[in-house]
Amino acid sequence: EAQVTQNPRYLITVTGKKLTVTCSQNMNHEYMSWYRQDPGLGLRQIYYSMNVEVTDKGDVPEGYKVSRKEKRNFPLILESPSPNQTSLYFCASSLRVGAEAFFGQGTRLTVV
Amino acid sequence: ILNVEQSPQSLHVQEGDSTNFTCSFPSSNFYALHWYRWETAKSPEALFVMTLNGDEKKKGRISATLNTKEGYSYLYIKGSQPEDSATYLCAFSRDGQNFVFGPGTRLSVLP
Repeated sequence: EAQVTQNPRYLITVTGKKLTVTCSQNMNHEYMSWYRQDPGLGLRQIYYSMNVEVTDKGDVPEGYKVSRKEKRNFPLILESPSPNQTSLYFCASSLRVGAEAFFGQGTRLTVV
Repeated sequence: ILNVEQSPQSLHVQEGDSTNFTCSFPSSNFYALHWYRWETAKSPEALFVMTLNGDEKKKGRISATLNTKEGYSYLYIKGSQPEDSATYLCAFSRDGQNFVFGPGTRLSVLP
């Protein structure tokens, strides 16, 4: 089944403890991106990647890192999480730049 | 940061009613406008990818139009059904890479 898989689905962590949210797609998509969703705001793009070893900042990249060592994986890294990073996170992939996005199931992160 | 607006913020309609909502975006340097449907506790799912001024797309009872010169897109739902209840998101891009989403329109269809 074609899908985008995020893990974990839910995570509660403490301020400053490094964490990684994984994202994997099995559709051989070139383009992948990360978004966060906060109440009252639209999905905001954190980082995106057009292909392996090519990543770029979205609108809200501060406090996040990403890597794209393989085409299928695009992990989101929070080196030192803070409470303002408590949010619902979505990973998405597209066949190519500009194409429709396929979203993962979401990761609800709480930083206390 | 680009501003993408959607109206109304929410609406309630009766089953069988037709409805429409608006997405407004910058009218310069247009690349693409996407529409997504987002049901509670699920992930957003793509409805339409619109790239050309004057585009009209249709999927079943749902259709969309695009005016890039004036910076708006309309989403229409004909004969709303309870299963249409969801949040409808639009996303604007100037380059196909960086997407800015609107805050969404939450639709509730009452049986």
